[in-house]
Amino acid sequence: NAGVTQTPKFRILKIGQSMTLQCAQDMNHNYMYWYRQDPGMGLKLIYYSVGAGITDKGEVPNGYNVSRSTTEDFPLRLELAAPSQTSVYFCASSYPAGGLGGTGELFFGEGSRLTVL
Amino acid sequence: GQQLNQSPQSMFIQEGEDVSMNCTSSSIFNTWLWYKQDPGEGPVLLIALYKAGELTSNGRLTAQFGITRKDSFLNISASIPSDVGIYFCAGQDAGGTSYGKLTFGQGTILTVHP
Repeated sequence: NAGVTQTPKFRILKIGQSMTLQCAQDMNHNYMYWYRQDPGMGLKLIYYSVGAGITDKGEVPNGYNVSRSTTEDFPLRLELAAPSQTSVYFCASSYPAGGLGGTGELFFGEGSRLTVL
Repeated sequence: GQQLNQSPQSMFIQEGEDVSMNCTSSSIFNTWLWYKQDPGEGPVLLIALYKAGELTSNGRLTAQFGITRKDSFLNISASIPSDVGIYFCAGQDAGGTSYGKLTFGQGTILTVHP
């Protein structure tokens, strides 16, 4: 069982370039998330999705876009990359236990390490 | 936004020692979770707590959900070298529309000397 798969694992971008980080999960989870991790800052939520066709902003959405056309896939788009977007990006998924609260147990991918020069 | 304060930021201990770390929040959570991140990997769930006052163990790990719902602690007993990594606390919002979103603490970097 692959779980949450992220590609690419590493990428170097020039300022102003665009790219898409791919995320796929095979656990049939409704909820998917994108977090970024900066040293000493923990993980900050960028965007999340509660199902195909439904996305919403998290705490730090500026400079990013997402789409959710299928249950399995949740790509993160960076437009006009800036040095401030140098970070490690984590995709995660979870399944709601009932109601809208979720179980709290997020399953994470291995991360995508992005450097913008 | 919500703030989670996790302490200490880092710990350097000898193998066999016990470790304690904690998180405090400015607001209430209805779920507290503790994750561990190994170098180059994503965070992995260690313990989840769902009720105020709950004390849960997982092997050498023990975690508690504070009675005020604004804090949690994690203890590791008899540390071993493979305990090295970054430990994160995370809280899930109270309320029915949280959609599973987690707020993370800043992390505790644990180093264990053999």
